[in-house]
Amino acid sequence: SQQGEEDPQALSIQEGENATMNCSYKTSINNLQWYRQNSGRGLVHLILIRSNEREKHSGRLRVTLDTSKKSSSLLITASRAADTASYFCATVPRGSSNTGKLIFGQGTTLQVKP
Amino acid sequence: DAGVIQSPRHEVTEMGQEVTLRCKPISGHNSLFWYRQTMMRGLELLIYFNNNVPIDDSGMPEDRFSAKMPNASFSTLKIQPSEPRDSAVYFCASSRTRDRNSYNEQFFGPGTRLTVL
Repeated sequence: SQQGEEDPQALSIQEGENATMNCSYKTSINNLQWYRQNSGRGLVHLILIRSNEREKHSGRLRVTLDTSKKSSSLLITASRAADTASYFCATVPRGSSNTGKLIFGQGTTLQVKP
Repeated sequence: DAGVIQSPRHEVTEMGQEVTLRCKPISGHNSLFWYRQTMMRGLELLIYFNNNVPIDDSGMPEDRFSAKMPNASFSTLKIQPSEPRDSAVYFCASSRTRDRNSYNEQFFGPGTRLTVL
């Protein structure tokens, strides 16, 4: 089963507003990643945050990680119509072996209205 | 780099036919993943390989599905016989996994949109 649970499932905002998506997970992790999927396309990696980090920025993206609550949030500031997409969180479970597997959440569908 | 290459991009077939989906991972990547995505079930991991060896195929729906990775640069996902409920977008992804501290960033192909009539 998917480890990540994302909230909300769908979000609709006006251009220029900020969008916040949340992700919760169940087991200890090595790192957490966010991906974006435009309609009909493959997922694209956006940003990664390691388990010993609490916040990370990349352009208009801000990711936070709270390992005590097993949760992460993705903030997109000053949203644009081109940000319309589905956003997925994915975790790398902490363990003795690493074969590359990611555990994906169900995704949040973001619509940014012009 | 060309990225992950999948073929065909679209496949329309009739129920009962054999379908073969192909994937070429990014050169140097040693993990390869097959996913299926539908509106109803979302993104599902079907099977993945590490260093050409199948690690976990628990996501494969049933015996009609099989996957192979004969070498580091090629993998196939086969459905035989196909059924209408197999209609979905199938994604291949690859990553470079070296040790327990690898970041495991995955690179996705464009997907194969399969329609089984």
